[in-house]
Amino acid sequence: GQQVMQIPQYQHVQEGEDFTTYCNSSTTLSNIQWYKQRPGGHPVFLIQLVKSGEVKKQKRLTFQFGEAKKNSSLHITATQTTDVGTYFCAGPGGTGKLIFGQGTTLQVKP
Amino acid sequence: DTGVSQDPRHKITKRGQNVTFRCDPISEHNRLYWYRQTLGQGPEFLTYFQNEAQLEKSRLLSDRFSAERPKGSFSTLEIQRTEQGDSAMYLCASSPVGGEANIQYFGAGTRLSVL
Repeated sequence: GQQVMQIPQYQHVQEGEDFTTYCNSSTTLSNIQWYKQRPGGHPVFLIQLVKSGEVKKQKRLTFQFGEAKKNSSLHITATQTTDVGTYFCAGPGGTGKLIFGQGTTLQVKP
Repeated sequence: DTGVSQDPRHKITKRGQNVTFRCDPISEHNRLYWYRQTLGQGPEFLTYFQNEAQLEKSRLLSDRFSAERPKGSFSTLEIQRTEQGDSAMYLCASSPVGGEANIQYFGAGTRLSVL
């Protein structure tokens, strides 16, 4: 069945360093979404990418959708302690359900 | 609070007992989803409702699991004869029709511990 994979699983950075997480799908996606889950919290929608090669920015966060629409990345510039959490990519699995990656957990050392 | 509401937040039960969770979606969201999340993993799809119709069930949803959404409003997820492997966070999400139909809004979840 359809799979969505993310790497790395964990990332520890010093505050101010950059961070990137990568997402790969076994199938071509019509769109890809990114969610953030704070420790002890629930997934919160960040952004949706739809077009091949699309790049979107939200302040220090840059999201990319690959040309083949099978991969995506999230890059955070100059991490802050408020960026701590687990970042999930998710692709549509038909009927509106989402197929989530395993997530990348970001720890930021102040 | 106009977000997705789940109750209870935590449930501890003994193996073999039945449990029921409730989800109140954002009003006027006609799509409702249940997911299960275990430690270190992303949410896994369980089932999906559009209004009161249950349109899809995952293979993860064994015969011990049943979900309902009477009148297309709140939903309940029941687990019968719980097993230790059922211990997880059960998340509910809802989404609207139309332009933002892909975006899912999650509740805080119900954490189930089966002893």
